[in-house]
Amino acid sequence: DGGITQSPKYLFRKEGQNVTLSCEQNLNHDAMYWYRQDPGQGLRLIYYSQIVNDFQKGDIAEGYSVSREKKESFPLTVTSAQKNPTAFYLCASSMTRVAGYTFGSGTRLTVV
Amino acid sequence: GESVGLHLPTLSVQEGDNSIINCAYSNSASDYFIWYKQESGKGPQFIIDIRSNMDKRQGQRVTVLLNKTVKHLSLQIAATQPGDSAVYFCAEILSGGYNKLIFGAGTRLAVHP
Repeated sequence: DGGITQSPKYLFRKEGQNVTLSCEQNLNHDAMYWYRQDPGQGLRLIYYSQIVNDFQKGDIAEGYSVSREKKESFPLTVTSAQKNPTAFYLCASSMTRVAGYTFGSGTRLTVV
Repeated sequence: GESVGLHLPTLSVQEGDNSIINCAYSNSASDYFIWYKQESGKGPQFIIDIRSNMDKRQGQRVTVLLNKTVKHLSLQIAATQPGDSAVYFCAEILSGGYNKLIFGAGTRLAVHP
């Protein structure tokens, strides 16, 4: 079955550490996205990529980094520069034409 | 600026009643709208979409209405069930540029037996 997979589901990070969240899709979608969701709030765009080896900053890119070396993969690194990283992170993918997104099941990151 | 917002943060309904979730959008250039359902601890799931050349679209137990004059979108859920309890997001896509969805803040739907 085609889908988008995020791992791990839960992640704990010590202050000052970098962590990488995985996102893999087998939908043959060109575009991939990372969103952050805080309690009681909507989705905020961190980074997006429309094509391999290219990505753009979203609305809240500071403290995050991404790579897009393969069409299927779009990992997100939460760096120590992100001052408030505890949140629910959602990865999504879509075709580049006007279309809805398919979302992964999310990774909940907690700083301890 | 770009924004999609929801009028009500929480909606409580009785099981079996119809639910209406509202959404206002600000950009008249948007040409595609989507409703997503998000259950606790999960990613959003596509419910129904509508393009700007339509006023109404029906799915299974759900109907989306689009009023471009007042830039308003609504999701109607018929015979609401406990499994419908979730947060519902509307999202819009601006015409031109890349396929960027702009999400509203969400409405929590609570269905009571």
